Amino acid sequence: KAGVTQTPRYLIKTRGQQVTLSCSPISGHRSVSWYQQTPGQGLQFLFEYFSETQRNKGNFPGRFSGRQFSNSRSEMNVSTLELGDSALYLCASSLTGDQPQHFGDGTRLSIL
Amino acid sequence: AQTVTQSQPEMSVQEAETVTLSCTYDTSESDYYLFWYKQPPSRQMILVIRQEAYKQQNATENRFSVNFQKAAKSFSLKISDSQLGDAAMYFCAYRSALNAGGTSYGKLTFGQGTILTVHP
Repeated sequence: KAGVTQTPRYLIKTRGQQVTLSCSPISGHRSVSWYQQTPGQGLQFLFEYFSETQRNKGNFPGRFSGRQFSNSRSEMNVSTLELGDSALYLCASSLTGDQPQHFGDGTRLSIL
Repeated sequence: AQTVTQSQPEMSVQEAETVTLSCTYDTSESDYYLFWYKQPPSRQMILVIRQEAYKQQNATENRFSVNFQKAAKSFSLKISDSQLGDAAMYFCAYRSALNAGGTSYGKLTFGQGTILTVHP
């Protein structure tokens, strides 16, 4: 069974641009969560989607948004990029709420 | 809000020996899940072990075991017979349990991580 797939693996953007990251969950998994990982703040929860509905959101500005499609694939969008958005963005999927989350390899976003 | 604290930024162990990583958490909930994840330099987060709060029995997975002390809100990870491949950053994480509707509105709250070095 294929794992969680995140694309692209690396991205370089400049301030003010916007970016879209993609996540394909494990087949059959309906829950997708996104996390931001930085050396200073550690791992922070961004949001969680289940059956195309956002049901949980972390403390991030409105520039961070996401969505989930009917096939459970998810995208995360960051608009008006700032230097502080440089981070590893991790996506995780789970079958149901009581099952552990399985992570992808992440997308490394660098803002110049 | 729940918080997770890992007080050991770095730990080291000799190959074949045992090491224990500490984790404490703060919550007002009675039902929840606790996890240990491993993140090697390849950066993929790998689930090591999980514990349901309603279970008193400590979880074990081969060389990995936990010491879950619910009253003390402590959740330590013991790695026995350490191997070079165990070297990684280890994260302790908390997740709320299912809500009344049968679905989970939980999110993973992570500790700051512990870098484990294994010496040959």
